[in-house]
Amino acid sequence: SQQGEEDPQALSIQEGENATMNCSYKTSINNLQWYRQNSGRGLVHLILIRSNEREKHSGRLRVTLDTSKKSSSLLITASRAADTASYFCATSSKWRNTPLVFGKGTRLSVIA
Amino acid sequence: SAVISQKPSRDICQRGTSLTIQCQVDSQVTMMFWYRQQPGQSLTLIATANQGSEATYESGFVIDKFPISRPNLTFSTLTVSNMSPEDSSIYLCSVAQSSSYEQYFGPGTRLTVT
Repeated sequence: SQQGEEDPQALSIQEGENATMNCSYKTSINNLQWYRQNSGRGLVHLILIRSNEREKHSGRLRVTLDTSKKSSSLLITASRAADTASYFCATSSKWRNTPLVFGKGTRLSVIA
Repeated sequence: SAVISQKPSRDICQRGTSLTIQCQVDSQVTMMFWYRQQPGQSLTLIATANQGSEATYESGFVIDKFPISRPNLTFSTLTVSNMSPEDSSIYLCSVAQSSSYEQYFGPGTRLTVT
């Protein structure tokens, strides 16, 4: 079942602007991950943040995690048309080799 | 990382028929997962396939409808049986490696049932 709720469901911005997506979850987690999906294809792992971390950066991506509020945000800076995709958060429990629980996703459109 | 391929990439099938989807990984993995993504929706876990044992199904998914095979550590199949238009979805397999929490996904199989 879906654990995460993402908002907004859809986001449209101009190239060069920043895009912020939010995710909330319900249960305790070991880590939270963000994935990108282009045009209904396979998912690509973007970034993982552990439950004891508050912020993490990777290139133009910045992820924050607030375990007290059970929420996370993904910021994409200086967006490009190639960033157009659906973005999903997914939570992972304590154990490796267990399935992820995905949020509903945000559809991002970056207009050139 | 792991490279995953799926076959077929897409198919259009008639109601009442069955389709078997193959998932091949370029390295040995313990766990493989099958997800369904209905149009415009997120991913829902169908089952977890562990080599050498029966697959574990999530609530709402049953073995008779979605039989899974896992004959070795690099391969798995998911069959969608007695299909109806409600089964039209993207089906994705993924793997997790014991050294990390990340999962790697296949490109998906886009199924349309008419």
